[in-house]
Amino acid sequence: AQRVTQPEKLLSVFKGAPVELKCNYSYSGSPELFWYVQYSRQRLQLLLRHISRESIKGFTADLNKGETSFHLKKPFAQEEDSAMYYCALRATGANNLFFGTGTRLTVIP
Amino acid sequence: NAGVTQTPKFQVLKTGQSMTLQCAQDMNHEYMSWYRQDPGMGLRLIHYSVGAGITDQGEVPNGYNVSRSTTEDFPLRLLSAAPSQTSVYFCASTRQGRNTEAFFGQGTRLTVV
Repeated sequence: AQRVTQPEKLLSVFKGAPVELKCNYSYSGSPELFWYVQYSRQRLQLLLRHISRESIKGFTADLNKGETSFHLKKPFAQEEDSAMYYCALRATGANNLFFGTGTRLTVIP
Repeated sequence: NAGVTQTPKFQVLKTGQSMTLQCAQDMNHEYMSWYRQDPGMGLRLIHYSVGAGITDQGEVPNGYNVSRSTTEDFPLRLLSAAPSQTSVYFCASTRQGRNTEAFFGQGTRLTVV
Protein backbone atom coordinates (compact mmCIF):
# COMPACT_ATOMS: atom_id res chain seq x y z
CA ALA A 1 0.00 0.00 0.00
CA GLN A 2 1.09 3.53 -0.67
CA ARG A 3 1.75 6.01 2.08
CA VAL A 4 2.99 9.60 2.05
CA THR A 5 4.33 11.23 5.20
CA GLN A 6 4.89 14.93 5.72
CA PRO A 7 6.23 15.18 9.26
CA GLU A 8 5.82 18.94 9.68
CA LYS A 9 2.31 20.37 9.89
CA LEU A 10 3.63 23.90 10.28
CA LEU A 11 6.90 25.46 9.16
CA SER A 12 7.94 29.06 9.61
CA VAL A 13 11.04 30.61 8.08
CA PHE A 14 12.28 34.16 7.64
CA LYS A 15 12.31 35.79 4.24
CA GLY A 16 15.59 35.02 2.48
CA ALA A 17 16.26 31.89 4.53
CA PRO A 18 16.44 28.43 2.97
CA VAL A 19 13.39 26.25 3.24
CA GLU A 20 12.98 22.49 3.08
CA LEU A 21 9.63 20.73 3.26
CA LYS A 22 10.02 17.04 3.97
CA CYS A 23 8.20 14.23 2.25
CA ASN A 24 8.76 10.51 2.73
CA TYR A 25 6.88 7.77 0.99
CA SER A 26 6.39 4.06 1.13
CA TYR A 27 5.68 2.17 -2.06
CA SER A 28 7.21 -1.01 -3.35
CA GLY A 29 7.27 -0.02 -7.02
CA SER A 30 8.50 3.02 -8.94
CA PRO A 31 6.30 5.90 -7.83
CA GLU A 32 5.25 9.06 -9.57
CA LEU A 33 5.78 11.90 -7.11
CA PHE A 34 4.38 15.41 -7.11
CA TRP A 35 4.27 18.55 -5.04
CA TYR A 36 0.99 20.48 -5.07
CA VAL A 37 0.53 23.94 -3.56
CA GLN A 38 -2.54 25.76 -2.33
CA TYR A 39 -2.21 29.51 -1.90
CA SER A 40 -4.72 31.36 0.25
CA ARG A 41 -8.22 31.26 -1.30
CA GLN A 42 -6.94 29.51 -4.41
CA ARG A 43 -7.36 26.04 -5.74
CA LEU A 44 -4.77 23.32 -5.40
CA GLN A 45 -2.28 23.41 -8.27
CA LEU A 46 0.72 21.42 -9.39
CA LEU A 47 4.07 22.82 -8.38
CA LEU A 48 6.52 20.09 -9.36
CA ARG A 49 6.63 16.54 -10.59
CA HIS A 50 9.71 14.40 -10.06
CA ILE A 51 9.94 13.26 -13.66
CA SER A 52 10.48 16.81 -14.91
CA ARG A 53 13.49 17.57 -12.72
CA GLU A 54 12.70 21.26 -13.15
CA SER A 55 12.78 24.32 -10.93
CA ILE A 56 9.48 26.12 -10.51
CA LYS A 57 9.32 29.43 -8.63
CA GLY A 58 12.80 28.60 -7.33
CA PHE A 59 11.69 25.29 -5.83
CA THR A 60 13.34 21.97 -6.60
CA ALA A 61 12.69 18.45 -5.40
CA ASP A 62 14.86 15.41 -5.86
CA LEU A 63 13.63 11.87 -5.64
CA ASN A 64 15.87 9.82 -3.38
CA LYS A 65 14.86 6.20 -3.83
CA GLY A 66 17.32 4.98 -1.20
CA GLU A 67 15.78 7.17 1.48
CA THR A 68 12.31 7.07 -0.13
CA SER A 69 12.14 10.83 0.09
CA PHE A 70 11.04 13.70 -2.15
CA HIS A 71 11.87 16.80 -0.15
CA LEU A 72 10.99 20.24 -1.54
CA LYS A 73 13.69 22.88 -1.29
CA LYS A 74 14.19 26.54 -2.02
CA PRO A 75 17.40 28.41 -1.22
CA PHE A 76 15.81 31.80 -0.45
CA ALA A 77 12.21 31.91 0.77
CA GLN A 78 9.89 34.72 -0.36
CA GLU A 79 6.74 36.01 1.32
CA GLU A 80 4.65 34.83 -1.61
CA ASP A 81 5.76 31.26 -0.89
CA SER A 82 3.49 31.19 2.16
CA ALA A 83 0.97 28.46 1.36
CA MET A 84 -0.09 24.91 2.06
CA TYR A 85 2.11 22.32 0.39
CA TYR A 86 1.10 18.74 -0.29
CA CYS A 87 3.31 15.89 -1.38
CA ALA A 88 1.47 13.30 -3.48
CA LEU A 89 2.20 9.86 -4.88
CA ARG A 90 0.68 7.92 -7.73
CA ALA A 91 1.40 4.24 -8.16
CA THR A 92 2.70 3.00 -11.50
CA GLY A 93 -0.16 2.49 -13.92
CA ALA A 94 -2.75 3.84 -11.51
CA ASN A 95 -4.85 6.99 -11.59
CA ASN A 96 -5.35 7.81 -7.93
CA LEU A 97 -3.19 10.33 -6.11
CA PHE A 98 -2.36 9.70 -2.46
CA PHE A 99 -1.65 12.85 -0.53
CA GLY A 100 0.35 13.57 2.57
CA THR A 101 -1.22 15.57 5.37
CA GLY A 102 0.33 18.79 4.14
CA THR A 103 2.72 21.40 5.52
CA ARG A 104 1.67 24.98 6.02
CA LEU A 105 4.63 27.21 5.22
CA THR A 106 4.74 30.72 6.59
CA VAL A 107 7.47 33.08 5.43
CA ILE A 108 8.04 35.83 7.96
CA PRO A 109 8.93 39.24 6.50
CA ASN B 1 -10.57 27.91 -20.52
CA ALA B 2 -12.74 26.97 -17.53
CA GLY B 3 -10.86 23.82 -16.43
CA VAL B 4 -12.67 22.20 -13.48
CA THR B 5 -15.75 23.98 -12.16
CA GLN B 6 -17.40 23.13 -8.86
CA THR B 7 -20.68 24.40 -7.52
CA PRO B 8 -21.64 25.59 -4.99
CA LYS B 9 -18.67 27.26 -3.29
CA PHE B 10 -20.35 27.24 0.11
CA GLN B 11 -23.20 25.23 1.57
CA VAL B 12 -24.79 24.76 4.97
CA LEU B 13 -26.92 21.68 5.50
CA LYS B 14 -28.94 20.36 8.37
CA THR B 15 -28.24 16.85 9.60
CA GLY B 16 -30.17 14.37 7.51
CA GLN B 17 -30.53 16.57 4.45
CA SER B 18 -29.25 15.42 1.08
CA MET B 19 -27.53 17.43 -1.60
CA THR B 20 -25.41 17.14 -4.72
CA LEU B 21 -22.07 18.81 -5.27
CA GLN B 22 -21.55 19.49 -8.94
CA CYS B 23 -18.29 19.09 -10.83
CA ALA B 24 -17.69 19.69 -14.51
CA GLN B 25 -14.53 19.72 -16.62
CA ASP B 26 -14.00 20.86 -20.19
CA MET B 27 -10.63 19.23 -20.88
CA ASN B 28 -12.01 15.86 -22.03
CA HIS B 29 -10.17 14.10 -19.22
CA GLU B 30 -11.01 10.48 -18.64
CA TYR B 31 -10.23 10.36 -14.94
CA MET B 32 -12.17 12.36 -12.35
CA SER B 33 -12.12 12.15 -8.57
CA TRP B 34 -13.53 13.66 -5.40
CA TYR B 35 -11.47 14.43 -2.30
CA ARG B 36 -12.28 15.84 1.07
CA GLN B 37 -9.79 18.08 2.85
CA ASP B 38 -9.74 18.09 6.62
CA PRO B 39 -7.24 19.82 8.95
CA GLY B 40 -4.35 17.54 9.80
CA MET B 41 -5.57 14.82 7.46
CA GLY B 42 -4.69 16.14 4.05
CA LEU B 43 -6.79 15.17 1.06
CA ARG B 44 -8.56 11.83 1.17
CA LEU B 45 -10.08 10.18 -1.86
CA ILE B 46 -13.83 9.63 -1.69
CA HIS B 47 -14.76 8.25 -5.12
CA TYR B 48 -13.25 8.23 -8.54
CA SER B 49 -14.10 7.45 -12.14
CA VAL B 50 -11.92 6.31 -15.04
CA GLY B 51 -14.54 7.11 -17.66
CA ALA B 52 -18.22 7.55 -18.36
CA GLY B 53 -20.25 4.79 -16.74
CA ILE B 54 -17.39 3.62 -14.50
CA THR B 55 -17.00 4.62 -10.86
CA ASP B 56 -15.22 3.16 -7.86
CA GLN B 57 -14.68 3.81 -4.17
CA GLY B 58 -11.71 5.56 -2.65
CA GLU B 59 -10.51 5.66 0.95
CA VAL B 60 -13.58 7.27 2.55
CA PRO B 61 -16.66 6.48 0.44
CA ASN B 62 -19.26 5.95 3.16
CA GLY B 63 -22.15 8.41 3.04
CA TYR B 64 -21.40 9.49 -0.52
CA ASN B 65 -22.61 8.42 -3.91
CA VAL B 66 -21.35 9.27 -7.41
CA SER B 67 -22.29 8.70 -11.02
CA ARG B 68 -20.59 9.47 -14.33
CA SER B 69 -23.06 9.66 -17.15
CA THR B 70 -20.88 11.90 -19.31
CA THR B 71 -17.15 12.55 -19.61
CA GLU B 72 -17.64 16.13 -18.46
CA ASP B 73 -19.69 15.73 -15.27
CA PHE B 74 -19.01 13.91 -12.01
CA PRO B 75 -21.50 14.88 -9.28
CA LEU B 76 -21.07 13.85 -5.65
CA ARG B 77 -24.21 13.12 -3.64
CA LEU B 78 -24.50 13.25 0.10
CA LEU B 79 -27.32 10.90 0.91
CA SER B 80 -28.06 11.94 4.51
CA ALA B 81 -25.68 14.62 5.73
CA ALA B 82 -23.91 14.17 9.05
CA PRO B 83 -21.74 16.64 11.02
CA SER B 84 -18.74 14.40 10.28
CA GLN B 85 -19.13 15.36 6.63
CA THR B 86 -18.31 18.97 7.40
CA SER B 87 -15.28 19.51 5.20
CA VAL B 88 -13.92 21.15 2.08
CA TYR B 89 -14.56 19.06 -1.01
CA PHE B 90 -12.40 19.13 -4.11
CA CYS B 91 -13.09 17.67 -7.49
CA ALA B 92 -10.16 16.87 -9.78
CA SER B 93 -9.69 15.68 -13.33
CA THR B 94 -6.65 14.09 -14.95
CA ARG B 95 -5.70 12.98 -18.41
CA GLN B 96 -4.77 9.30 -18.50
CA GLY B 97 -1.06 8.62 -18.76
CA ARG B 98 2.13 8.70 -16.77
CA ASN B 99 3.03 11.67 -14.59
CA THR B 100 0.02 13.66 -15.72
CA GLU B 101 -1.16 16.66 -13.77
CA ALA B 102 -4.37 16.65 -11.75
CA PHE B 103 -6.47 19.79 -12.20
CA PHE B 104 -8.58 20.81 -9.23
CA GLY B 105 -11.78 22.75 -8.82
CA GLN B 106 -11.95 25.70 -6.45
CA GLY B 107 -13.55 23.61 -3.71
CA THR B 108 -16.87 23.49 -1.89
CA ARG B 109 -16.92 24.36 1.79
CA LEU B 110 -19.68 22.30 3.37
CA THR B 111 -20.95 22.71 6.91
CA VAL B 112 -23.42 20.24 8.39
CA VAL B 113 -25.20 21.46 11.50
